Amino acid sequence: NAGVTQTPKFQVLKTGQSMTLQCAQDMNHEYMSWYRQDPGMGLRLIHYSVGAGITDQGEVPNGYNVSRSTTEDFPLRLLSAAPSQTSVYFCASSPGTRGDTGELFFGEGSRLTVL
Amino acid sequence: DQQVKQNSPSLSVQEGRISILNCDYTNSMFDYFLWYKKYPAEGPTFLISISSIKDKNEDGRFTVFLNKSAKHLSLHIVPSQPGDSAVYFCAATTNLNAGGTSYGKLTFGQGTILTVHP
Repeated sequence: NAGVTQTPKFQVLKTGQSMTLQCAQDMNHEYMSWYRQDPGMGLRLIHYSVGAGITDQGEVPNGYNVSRSTTEDFPLRLLSAAPSQTSVYFCASSPGTRGDTGELFFGEGSRLTVL
Repeated sequence: DQQVKQNSPSLSVQEGRISILNCDYTNSMFDYFLWYKKYPAEGPTFLISISSIKDKNEDGRFTVFLNKSAKHLSLHIVPSQPGDSAVYFCAATTNLNAGGTSYGKLTFGQGTILTVHP
């Protein structure tokens, strides 16, 4: 079991460029979500999904798009990168209604720098 | 508005002693609380949790205490070990008691860096 896999681990972008952070999980989890971690701010929820075809906004959704076409994958798209999006991004999954204990399983993170 | 607050950015403890990490929350709708541990260059990993219907939960060296009236929880690590050195995040969610679902949505505190000295 690989768990939650994120790619790339590191990325440097120029302002205005677009890119996609990939996230895949092999645990057949129903729920998936994206968080960003910034110094002094903890982890903040960007977008989440409760199943294939269903997504919703979290606390800080502006500048990001998501889609969930399969149970396994939940990519995060930056449409036009800004320096304020420099952060460490974490994808997470959880079993959902099959056994929701609140526990999230996190990937190792993707460090993004926007110049 | 930070609904979950960890007011101590860092804590330094001697090996073998007790580590106490604190967390305060403002949203009275939170009904389930979790602690996560994070090492550098890794994702957070779940440590221990507590439902709002309890005031204490214990798992080995880790105990979480919840004071609902004060909207305060704390994580006790006894005895502390150098391998416990990490960032600890407090998190909260709603709708999990009584058979509900969190929808995978957690609200995190800012984190506390714990350093355990040998």
